[in-house]
Formats: sequence, structure tokens, C-alpha cells
Amino acid sequence: EIVLTQFPGTLSLSPGERATLSCRASQSVNSKFLAWHQQRPGQAPRLLIYETSTRATGIPDRFSGSGSGTDFTLTISRLEPEDFAVYYCQQYDSSLYTFGQGTKVEI
Amino acid sequence: EVQVVESGGGLVQPGRSLRLSCTTSGFSFGDYAMSWVRQAPGKGLEWVGRITRKFYGGTAEIAASVKGRFTISRDDSKSIAYLQMNSLQTEDTAVYYCVGAVGYWGRGTLVTVS
Repeated sequence: EIVLTQFPGTLSLSPGERATLSCRASQSVNSKFLAWHQQRPGQAPRLLIYETSTRATGIPDRFSGSGSGTDFTLTISRLEPEDFAVYYCQQYDSSLYTFGQGTKVEI
Repeated sequence: EVQVVESGGGLVQPGRSLRLSCTTSGFSFGDYAMSWVRQAPGKGLEWVGRITRKFYGGTAEIAASVKGRFTISRDDSKSIAYLQMNSLQTEDTAVYYCVGAVGYWGRGTLVTVS
């Protein structure tokens, strides 16, 4: 099983600031099979990024993804109030998919 | 519009069984793998399992934490995926989400084992 470790656990920022979230895999992940999801309080998760860097439909361009091998990053260029949420990375490279434990972005 | 709707959750006693359904529309169900993900109260997301599309054999993979108790199936003629949960334990209490491909999330259904 590929273990994904996200850091930091919590990111305390202000609207307008830049957020950088990291996801490290226990073994190499094909960049075609790495996604990021956002979960706002009380809501279901939604897909932000797939294939490491491709934004899902309707996702604003302040969200960007990058990385390869074992290290992946989600960047939010300028935080909007609605971006304060929990973010999860997910790999679907191996037959057993896995999620990271999440990074909470708080004000 | 893509719709993914889970149903079948509820309160169940330990040791009993429950079957969740995932009814979909708005995308080519047969072309995608379907996954189940759960979230215990106050916790993160846990991948439960997935079933490939028929083209790849309709093969199911289940997380080690529930292997031997949970199974996944699909009915492409109805665009529905199922999660059969047997020998339920209190630690299976969670919101269960169905996910089409990687990004078509449902709103979830709550399963309480008590």
C-alpha cells in the first residue's frame, strides 16, 4: 500500500495569502494518477486537481498542482474566504488507492 | 448534469449486514471505475474499495481494513454500484461516499453501527 503523508497538518493564513500544501508518497507515484480534493465543513469532498496538475471543471486558476515521483504540491495563489477547508491528496496508481490524512487551511 | 446518489445507510446493530447503493446519471457509467470512500466522524477520508469497468474485467479491490467483510459490485445496465457490508462493527460507523472515476462524488450516506 502506498502511504501518502501530507504536511503541514494545519496551515493558518489570511485571505489573499499564498498556500502551499505538500503530499509525500512512500513510493513513486505515476503523475497521471495523483489527485487533490477539497472538503468544506459539512460538505462532501470535491475534485480540484487530477493527473497532478489538471484542474477539474469549474476550478479557478488560483489552484495549481505540481510534482513528480514521491513529492507533490498543491498551491493556492491567493486565498479566498471559500478556500478555507481541508485538502486531501489521493493516489490511484496502485490497485489499492489511498488518501493522505489531509491538510486543514484555516484563517 | 452528473448525479451520484448514495442510499441504504442507517442504524444497524453490530454483526449485521447492510447494502449501500450508488445510483448515477449524467456520465457514461460503464466507462469508469467506481469507488467507495468513507469518513468516520471527525476523521479524514478512507478509501474502502473500487471496481474497475467491465472492459478491465469488472475487478474489485478492497482495502485491508474491511477485506473479507465488504464487497463491491456493479450493474452497468442500471448505472448502479453497490457496497455490501457484512459483519459490521462499531468502527465502521461513517459517512460512505460513492465516487465515479476520481472526481464524481456523491453526498454520502451515514451508516451508524450501534
